[in-house]
Amino acid sequence: QVQLVQSGAEVKKPGASVKVSCKASGYTFTSYGISWVRQAPGQGLEWMGWISAYNGNTNYAQKLQGRVTMTTDTSTSTAYMELRSLRSDDTAVYYCARGDPVVMDAFDIWGQGTMVTVSS
Amino acid sequence: QLVLTQSPSASASLGASVKLTCTLSSGHSSYAIAWHQQQPEKGPRYLMKLNSDGSHSKGDGIPDRFSGSSSGAERYLTISSLQSEDEADYYCQTWGTGIQVFGTGTKVTVL
Repeated sequence: QVQLVQSGAEVKKPGASVKVSCKASGYTFTSYGISWVRQAPGQGLEWMGWISAYNGNTNYAQKLQGRVTMTTDTSTSTAYMELRSLRSDDTAVYYCARGDPVVMDAFDIWGQGTMVTVSS
Repeated sequence: QLVLTQSPSASASLGASVKLTCTLSSGHSSYAIAWHQQQPEKGPRYLMKLNSDGSHSKGDGIPDRFSGSSSGAERYLTISSLQSEDEADYYCQTWGTGIQVFGTGTKVTVL
């Protein structure tokens, strides 16, 4: 079946970096894009950015520009999100979600989420 | 600025219906949206994509109890025959050039 499976929970110190993976299966990876969305404890959903698995194009949320990088490995159908210079307010569950490969569109498949805790 | 507005909470009795509203900001009344459900301690689940004319396409396995409709800048999600597992947060999502936006979510309580 179509699914996105994410890597496991992470605990990081302030100032460190984290890289979360999202492995796709059940569909042609390069026919879609992947967005990353995070949810701080008790809060709503925040879009972080998008990468096209078709051509590698990216769009990042303005507040994260310069700290986030999204990549894909088409040989393994895996998307990655790296966040640098972590702060305590980056503590959140991070989700990947499937969308259009060229334009912004609805997310129709979600990963199970990855908890990232930033604490000294 | 592209913004989605949702009421914080809604409630209805078991077996009844509830209608949730997501309002698009001024100048964006033609935009499509998507509805997502997030049950407690779980990740979001795609329910449907809803166009400005009210046409919608649901995700795989989404029950017929979930339906969408539109009027002007408002997008609605109606849940009929409420069941206990429908108690969840419901988020609307929309998009523009290079940007995605979520509403703040509506918490549905089944009485």
